[in-house]
Amino acid sequence: GENVEQHPSTLSVQEGDSAVIKCTYSDSASNYFPWYKQELGKGPQLIIDIRSNVGEKKDQRIAVTLNKTAKHFSLHITETQPEDSAVYFCAAGRTGGGNKLTFGTGTQLKVEL
Amino acid sequence: KAGVTQTPRYLIKTRGQQVTLSCSPISGHRSVSWYQQTPGQGLQFLFEYFSETQRNKGNFPGRFSGRQFSNSRSEMNVSTLELGDSALYLCASSLELAGGGNEQFFGPGTRLTVL
Repeated sequence: GENVEQHPSTLSVQEGDSAVIKCTYSDSASNYFPWYKQELGKGPQLIIDIRSNVGEKKDQRIAVTLNKTAKHFSLHITETQPEDSAVYFCAAGRTGGGNKLTFGTGTQLKVEL
Repeated sequence: KAGVTQTPRYLIKTRGQQVTLSCSPISGHRSVSWYQQTPGQGLQFLFEYFSETQRNKGNFPGRFSGRQFSNSRSEMNVSTLELGDSALYLCASSLELAGGGNEQFFGPGTRLTVL
């Protein structure tokens, strides 16, 4: 089955700096890659996703890149703010086979003032 | 538009008991997936229902089961509870497009504690 590895497990940055979280997946059939943000006491919230037919997608301060050959995708957050502090999860799924997602182990991001 | 709702939010049970958790998806969403979240194992897929049929199943024992009703609301049941079943159970719904790989929206979860 699919396996998703995520690094780093914790990340501390200064406010205004950039943060990068990286994931790799094992199943070459995976073609849908969402990123979720989870705050304490809440369910995961979808922040951005990318499909395998594009290499990069951007939404304001958040961007995701995908390298299908290397089976690698990354989340980039620029101009970080204290409210970006949360746990971030990457996931991989497959279109046409339902909505099963395999999640990475999460990255605890702390944005310090 | 109301989000995904899950009831109850917190639950305490003892070993050997059984439990039923409920999930109401976003209006119009027909796919409902369940996930178990623990500190040790992270987020793990339990199963997915679409149009009252189980479409995908994760690697959990048969003690974990679910169902979906005609209004897309879903329930999951865990029988013969074990201490290791203590977790946050998350439900996610999706507006079905083209067979899957669609945006999933999560509820706040049900925190189950097994004593």
